[in-house]
Order: sequence, then C-alpha cells, then structure tokens
Amino acid sequence: EDKVVQSPLSLVVHEGDTVTLNCSYEVTNFRSLLWYKQEKKAPTFLFMLTSSGIEKKSGRLSSILDKKELFSILNITATQTGDSAVYLCAVQGGSEKLVFGKGMKLTVNP
Amino acid sequence: DTAVSQTPKYLVTQMGNDKSIKCEQNLGHDTMYWYKQDSKKFLKIMFSYNNKELIINETVPNRFSPKSPDKAHLNLHINSLELGDSAVYFCASSRWSTPNYGYTFGSGTRLTVV
Repeated sequence: EDKVVQSPLSLVVHEGDTVTLNCSYEVTNFRSLLWYKQEKKAPTFLFMLTSSGIEKKSGRLSSILDKKELFSILNITATQTGDSAVYLCAVQGGSEKLVFGKGMKLTVNP
Repeated sequence: DTAVSQTPKYLVTQMGNDKSIKCEQNLGHDTMYWYKQDSKKFLKIMFSYNNKELIINETVPNRFSPKSPDKAHLNLHINSLELGDSAVYFCASSRWSTPNYGYTFGSGTRLTVV
C-alpha cells in the first residue's frame, strides 16, 4: 500500500530561523512528489519533484528529492510569520492519484 | 484501518448520468471536505461541512450536491455529468477546533466521464 510519512508533525520556531521538513514515501511506480502549503481552505501548490538531486527553489523555499532513499525535504530559510501553515507532502504513483501525508504544522512566532 | 475512505476509487460513466461518491472517516473529526484536483495537480475546495452543517460552498455547478448524514460521512452527488467533471476528487477531514492542523485525506476517486 502506498504510504507517505511526514516529520516532524509540528514545529514551533522564531522568525528568522531556518526549518527543514521531511517527507518519506513508499509508492509503487513513483511518478512525482508534490509539496503543498495549506493555510485556510485548499492547499497551495509549492513544488513538484520528479528527478533526484535537482533542487527546486522559489524565494526562501527550496526542495529536493532523493529517489534512492525515498524521501524529500522542504527547506524554508529566514522564516516569517506568514510561513505559519500546514505543509503537505503528496506522492503520485502508478495509479496517478495523489497519496497525502498527514501534514506538518509550522508555527513561526515573532 | 483506513482513516478516511472514499468509494469508489474509480468511476467511469457516460455524460448525462448521475453518480455519487461516498466518504467516511473514523477519526472522530467534526469537519469534512471535498476537493477537486485539476490536471495541474492544484487542489480546489468545493465544500466543507462542520457537524453536518455546510460551512464552505465554493463556486461549483449546482449539479454538485453534498450530503452529510452525520459527522462521519460526507457524500458528493453529481447530476448530469459532463466531460469537464472528469478529475480526481479528494475527501478530507479535520478538527474544527484546531484549524489548519491534522488534515487527513482520502485516497481519492478518479472520475472519468466519457
């Protein structure tokens, strides 16, 4: 059965800190791994990763995939209070549907 | 045990038909959601129920009607299916008292309208 595990489940940091979110997975016929940020309603798409070792970057956020070790990390540097949210990791396997992790709640305090 | 279960996992149907997708959660959550995943992998919220009451009703065609018989169930009925309804539909649940935390998603239902 396809599985996605995120860690830690919650994290509290101060503005300016750097955080690393982890996502490990087991999936049949891996196609892609996606990161979402969820604040209120629907998750906001951040990154889609398909190849190992290629870092994707968007402002203070970056992510990388390791297909050999079956995990991905999402880094956020110089955190701001607006980064407070739940970060979801999802993996697309052979069925083409997304399998979600439970999410990681990040709280950034001033 | 599956925390959020959706049935069916796959649904292929002809245009004009009426179909339902069922969702059940055994986590004791009081809020449930329906999302539609588009071809670009974006998730768009459609509906949300808290304790059987509709709290979010985004702009979706009237052909889509959610029904929540109790806190553990949120079904989605679709009338007069159209080709553009083809997508993956995700059910999710959470606790209203801890917003933005602990979302659990179902495995999705791939709807194909032919």
